[in-house]
Amino acid sequence: QQQVKQSPQSLIVQKGGISIINCAYENTAFDYFPWYQQFPGKGPALLIAIRPDVSEKKEGRFTISFNKSAKQFSLHIMDSQPGDSATYFCAATLDRGSTLGRLYFGRGTQLTVWP
Amino acid sequence: GAGVSQSPRYKVAKRGQDVALRCDPISGHVSLFWYQQALGQGPEFLTYFQNEAQLDKSGLPSDRFFAERPEGSVSTLKIQRTQQEDSAVYLCASSDTHIQYFGAGTRLSVL
Repeated sequence: QQQVKQSPQSLIVQKGGISIINCAYENTAFDYFPWYQQFPGKGPALLIAIRPDVSEKKEGRFTISFNKSAKQFSLHIMDSQPGDSATYFCAATLDRGSTLGRLYFGRGTQLTVWP
Repeated sequence: GAGVSQSPRYKVAKRGQDVALRCDPISGHVSLFWYQQALGQGPEFLTYFQNEAQLDKSGLPSDRFFAERPEGSVSTLKIQRTQQEDSAVYLCASSDTHIQYFGAGTRLSVL
């Protein structure tokens, strides 16, 4: 059973537009929700993360919105740039205090930003 | 180097061969994870080490998969009698606190 469901599978956005990727999770025990960015031939790299006690977190052009009651969270990329073209993964895990547990990943969204 | 290093980057194996994949984590990182990423999918957890102790191996798909981290640093993922369904990218991640840092992975192709 997929613990984290992600949509859309692919997304095409014009330069300067807003990219929105949505995720939903099953396990209410999850308490840490990171987003990873992966370029071809590279490993995933942490982009931004949020905990369920806040509804929104913003870092530069990247914003996570979190809806705990709906068990949903989303990534918004403002002013999308061609360099943002990559695969984005949402994930969920348990915060064990000094470290994190295993990550449960969504299936990924391939974002293409046209110049 | 400062990042997680994996070798080899690419491995082609004939069905039935044994393979060994190496992960050099970031120095000092206590936690080490292995994930399997099938083409077009998200990474799937395989196993987790805290120092040399393998605390969770629930994601290993069969007893043909074996991982070790004998001195709490370098880790090796071994796959015995490889099958075509083992073809994937194998990612290693190390962590000190709340960030898992991933290597570039080893792409395994089983023919």
